[in-house]
Amino acid sequence: SAVISQKPSRDICQRGTSLTIQCQVDSQVTMMFWYRQQPGQSLTLIATANQGSEATYESGFVIDKFPISRPNLTFSTLTVSNMSPEDSSIYLCSVKRLAGGPTDTQYFGPGTRLTVL
Amino acid sequence: AQKITQTQPGMFVQEKEAVTLDCTYDTSDPSYGLFWYKQPSSGEMIFLIYQGSYDQQNATEGRYSLNFQKARKSANLVISASQLGDSAMYFCAMMTGNQFYFGTGTSLTVIP
Repeated sequence: SAVISQKPSRDICQRGTSLTIQCQVDSQVTMMFWYRQQPGQSLTLIATANQGSEATYESGFVIDKFPISRPNLTFSTLTVSNMSPEDSSIYLCSVKRLAGGPTDTQYFGPGTRLTVL
Repeated sequence: AQKITQTQPGMFVQEKEAVTLDCTYDTSDPSYGLFWYKQPSSGEMIFLIYQGSYDQQNATEGRYSLNFQKARKSANLVISASQLGDSAMYFCAMMTGNQFYFGTGTSLTVIP
């Protein structure tokens, strides 16, 4: 099955700064997603990263705060802008429909654990 | 309306025993998929098992099985012969109408 990697795996950042998280898949995938998991909470979808067009954001998330790039079918980035302590979370990218897996299954990267001071 | 409900915030099980983690779901769509994920303390989400709404038999993957009761809208995860490495958060999820919904999770602790 395909491998999904994320960089960085963790970071500690100062408020007001920005962090860009990278997600790399070793095979081409149509749909990539970005999730946030706040401490002790479940996963919340931030946006769907579309290749060749703007990302589709969920209610409560805006492009200015979470700009996303998807330059090709194997790579995406999520930037957390102007960070505050409330942005401290695990950020996960996921992909859908890897070869050999059940239809519609989402497979996740290892996550980026972000702490904002 | 909440789509996925996991009523057990925390569970304990003795090593080598079986444990059932509960999950109920709510959808009017006849076509849907049900998933279980494991999240160890490292934070990654590991896909465990999948059940399609039209599947006649319960899904099994090694020590994991999904007890699918369609009329009751439940999709409980059964872990047999628990191991210390099974200690983690477990999330039930549903895919319907092109949307993915996650439950709030159950923390499982395996006791030696």
